Formats: sequence, C-alpha cells, structure tokens
Amino acid sequence: AQSVTQLDSQVPVFEEAPVELRCNYSSSVSVYLFWYVQYPNQGLQLLLKYLSGSTLVKGINGFEAEFNKSQTSFHLRKPSVHISDTAEYFCAVSGGGANNLFFGTGTRLTVIP
Amino acid sequence: GAGVSQSPSNKVTEKGKDVELRCDPISGHTALYWYRQSLGQGLEFLIYFQGNSAPDKSGLPSDRFSAERTGGSVSTLTIQRTQQEDSAVYLCASSFSRGPQETQYFGPGTRLLVL
Repeated sequence: AQSVTQLDSQVPVFEEAPVELRCNYSSSVSVYLFWYVQYPNQGLQLLLKYLSGSTLVKGINGFEAEFNKSQTSFHLRKPSVHISDTAEYFCAVSGGGANNLFFGTGTRLTVIP
Repeated sequence: GAGVSQSPSNKVTEKGKDVELRCDPISGHTALYWYRQSLGQGLEFLIYFQGNSAPDKSGLPSDRFSAERTGGSVSTLTIQRTQQEDSAVYLCASSFSRGPQETQYFGPGTRLLVL
C-alpha cells in the first residue's frame, strides 16, 4: 500500500526567500506523484505531477519538484515566494493498483511580508 | 469551461439525520471520486466511479455511507444516521479517463457539520 509523509506541518518563510516543502512516499511499486495546493476556502488545485521521464518537474506559479527514487522523495521548491503563495500544500501518490490518491497530511506555508 | 461543482456548499444537520451531498463532474469526465477532509484524518479517499464499472467502495468508513452515480454523470453521496465524527469537508473530483496518472480536478467541497 502507498503512503505519503509530509514531515513539516507548518513552514513560515519571508517574502522573496526560497522554500522547500518535503514529501516522502512509501510504495513497493512504481507510482505517480502529485503536489496540490489549497488556498483558503477553496478546493484543491494541481501544481505539478510526476509520471515518468525527467525527474525535475516544473509546475504552475514557479514551483518545481524533483523525483528521487533512491530516497523515495518528491520535494517541492520555489526560489522566491510571494505573499500569494500562502496556502496549504498536499503531496499525493497514486498507482500500484489504486486509481485514487493517497494524500499526506499537508504543509501550511505562510509567507511573511 | 465549468469545473466540478458541489452542493450544498454548507450543511448543518442534527445527529441521526440523513444527508445527501451532490457532485456535478466536468462534462466528459468518466472517472469520479469522493474524498473526505477532516482535522483528525486529513484527506482520505471514500469511493471511486469509472464509467459503468462497479464502483471501488474500499474507502467508505462504514455502511452508513453510500454513493451512486446516475447516467455516468452526477453523483450523490448519502450519509445515513449522521454522527458527530462525520463532520468534515466532503470533496468530489473528476478526471478525463481512468488511470492513476490522470489529473483529478476537485470541486470546492461541501462542509458538513453534525450537531
């Protein structure tokens, strides 16, 4: 079975500083990896996903993530954050016989002016 | 185009009552999912529909929960004899086709409060 761990429940960062949100997954088979963002009082929106091929994936709003199979990680990064990036970020995995997504517990990113 | 819509946006009910939550997926999407987002459990999968195939009900927490999808489009999630622990945001998602690699598009959710 798949599982996802997001070790950081909250990450405060100053505006224009870089940020990394960590995600580790556990699976015995090949999986697909996703990052979703949830702005206050809104639904989930896809930031990016890794299916295969290049391990560096670029998404919307300047975010990118790197798939590392040996470390079973899929960390999300942005070189310079903006106030509007304040939101909750969820890492998720699917595959291995399951079509549904398995989510991590989320990381609340707060950008400080 | 229009995204996934859900109704009602908020629902307050008394313990023991039944509730129905509705989801309208994106037109043309064959796969539909229900998830629940709660403080104690995070985001968890409930049920998955794909076309005319039998649904995957493996995530339903108890037999008080059921869902149907009529005509391969609109879906209704029903919770019978609601309990306080059912309080959560219920999210619906749809995707263009089957397969774990497909992007799921989420609706805004229905916030359920059981008093």
